[in-house]
Amino acid sequence: DADVTQTPRNRITKTGKRIMLECSQTKGHDRMYWYRQDPGLGLRLIYYSFDVKDINKGEISDGYSVSRQAQAKFSLSLESAIPNQTALYFCATSDLVSGSFNEQFFGPGTRLTVL
Amino acid sequence: TQLLEQSPQFLSIQEGENLTVYCNSSSVFSSLQWYRQEPGEGPVLLVTVVTGGEVKKLKRLTFQFGDARKDSSLHITAAQPGDTGLYLCAGVHRDSGYALNFGKGTSLLVTP
Repeated sequence: DADVTQTPRNRITKTGKRIMLECSQTKGHDRMYWYRQDPGLGLRLIYYSFDVKDINKGEISDGYSVSRQAQAKFSLSLESAIPNQTALYFCATSDLVSGSFNEQFFGPGTRLTVL
Repeated sequence: TQLLEQSPQFLSIQEGENLTVYCNSSSVFSSLQWYRQEPGEGPVLLVTVVTGGEVKKLKRLTFQFGDARKDSSLHITAAQPGDTGLYLCAGVHRDSGYALNFGKGTSLLVTP
């Protein structure tokens, strides 16, 4: 079974709809991250969480919110989706112990299309 | 946000050729990572380099971290079709909670 899972894998929605993307991990890691990937732009950090009570904005947090329901679960919400939020979204985890190395383990991604 | 510039953005070569991908920044990093991403999947870590001047080898892949810890390169010897994918470098900053800053990636296509 995959260590980092994301649901749904694909989603098509309409402008103005509220969307939630979910991420679960079985790696026991404290740190979790949400990225979006756009063609030619690489991965950009949306939000990250170092533990259940510690949530931080990343480079492009506007229009997004997150919830860390438990150590293993980190969800990303688009309160009112807009077309330029069409992208591939990745959840990732890392282990606090690894410190400066911060190897991140990525989920398979969610492809979101906003019409 | 500290910028990481990767070059080239696209690379199409034939099996057996050698290639080098570059990752450059004006910032100093605590460490630098290289990831490989295949279509429909998330990135997977290939290597982490930590010390200035460090060289690491992973089979036919050679990774180098610049002396000043601002740049890195990935060299592939005798490329194979299985090397096809998106290669991403990511810089780690201790001062920003070890968050990763990714480059835009190099898309490599190796044809038989």
